[in-house]
Amino acid sequence: GQQVQQSPTSLVLQEGENAELQCNFSTSLNSMQWFYQRPGGSLISVFYNPSGTKQSGRLTSTTVIKERRSSLHISSSQITDSGTYLCALRGSALGRLHFGAGTQLIVIP
Amino acid sequence: ETAVFQTPNYHVTQVGNEVSFNCKQTLGHDTMYWYKQDSKKLLKIMFSYNNKQLIVNETVPRRFSPQSSDKAHLNLRIKSVEPEDSAVYLCASSFGISGNTLYFGEGSRLIVV
Repeated sequence: GQQVQQSPTSLVLQEGENAELQCNFSTSLNSMQWFYQRPGGSLISVFYNPSGTKQSGRLTSTTVIKERRSSLHISSSQITDSGTYLCALRGSALGRLHFGAGTQLIVIP
Repeated sequence: ETAVFQTPNYHVTQVGNEVSFNCKQTLGHDTMYWYKQDSKKLLKIMFSYNNKQLIVNETVPRRFSPQSSDKAHLNLRIKSVEPEDSAVYLCASSFGISGNTLYFGEGSRLIVV
C-alpha cells in the first residue's frame, strides 16, 4: 500500500481562510519535505522539515515523528496559494523519496 | 530562479516513436533524478544518478533508458513509446544521495497518440 497518505485530496477556501494539510506515513522517517506545484509548473520546495516546527511567512510545517505525521498550515490564504501541495518522505538516509498524491488547494475571492 | 532546465517542455508523438528528454542543472549538485508524474499527480521515481553512476533504477519498462554525460546532465530516452507513457517527466537534482532538498525542473509533458 501507499506509504504516504495526504489529506484532504482537495480543498476550496475563501481568501483569508486558513488551511491545514496533512501528511501521514507508515514507514520510519529520515526526512520530510513539502513541495508546492502550481498548475502546469515545476515543484518548488516549501519546507525541509524532518522533525519539529518550521515557519516561513504564512506557512508553518510541523512534523511529529512518533505520530507519523506532518502538517502544513497556511494562514490567511491568498488566491496565489492555489495549486497542489505534495509531501515527500525518505525512510532512511539512502532511501528513495516517496511522494504523497498531493492536496489540491483552490483559493477563491 | 530556475536552475534545473528541461527540454522539450512539451512533446506530442505517435506510438512507436523514440523520444528524448534532456535535463541540465547549474546548481553544482552531484545527484540527479527522473520522476514520472501521472494524471493523478502521483510522482514516482524512475532513475537517479550520483556522479554519473546509476544508483536507483526502479522497475520501469526497458524502453526507458537514462543517459548521463557528466554530473550536471541526465537525459531520458524512451524507445518506442506507448500510450501509457503519456505523463509529465520531471528532472530533479540534489546534493548527495540522501539529498536534503530536491530542486525540480519545469517538467516535460509527453503525449502519445
